[in-house]
Amino acid sequence: EPEVTQTPSHQVTQMGQEVILRCVPISNHLYFYWYRQILGQKVEFLVSFYNNEISEKSEIFDDQFSVERPDGSNFTLKIRSTKLEDSAMYFCASSDAGPGHNSPLHFGNGTRLTVT
Amino acid sequence: QKEVEQNSGPLSVPEGAIASLNCTYSDRGSQSFFWYRQYSGKSPELIMFIYSNGDKEDGRFTAQLNKASQYVSLLIRDSQPSDSATYLCASVGSNFGNEKLTFGTGTRLTIIP
Repeated sequence: EPEVTQTPSHQVTQMGQEVILRCVPISNHLYFYWYRQILGQKVEFLVSFYNNEISEKSEIFDDQFSVERPDGSNFTLKIRSTKLEDSAMYFCASSDAGPGHNSPLHFGNGTRLTVT
Repeated sequence: QKEVEQNSGPLSVPEGAIASLNCTYSDRGSQSFFWYRQYSGKSPELIMFIYSNGDKEDGRFTAQLNKASQYVSLLIRDSQPSDSATYLCASVGSNFGNEKLTFGTGTRLTIIP
């Protein structure tokens, strides 16, 4: 069964450094997402991406965050200058027609980001 | 702020019994609802979704939706120890073009052997 893959599985970085989290969505999917989950808390929406542009972003997704789909397969999340509070599990997800059309999100295994 | 509310638990259920997980939502226009299971340290995995009032069954799982009461539930029959996990309820917003899921905090379920 096709799956969403994320790399790396764990990233440790120092405060103020830039990190790039990588994702390969399911190949025929059109909608791409980043969510994050701080330890012990809920899964929070960061950003959705469709037709090569951001379709929606949350308040969390400030100027320090950016997303890119540099080629036909990869989808990346960049955090320009990491803060301690960015430590979380970051999940990439994709959907073929979007949940508004009853098409569920399929999640990758996540990248655990630790900022020291 | 459109919210999805769940009792965080923990909910303890004996093996073989029915586990009942509940969720309420504030956006009256929400149309579709998704149940995910999340094991500790792992990613959410889809169990099932529902968009029509009433019941939808898939194996040991039954989702129930009551739009008038803004209430969604998930029943797990013949609970197994492997069902011990956190169960996440998620909804899609009602505004046009909204294609994101909003998650509740999750209910932690423990099946007691």
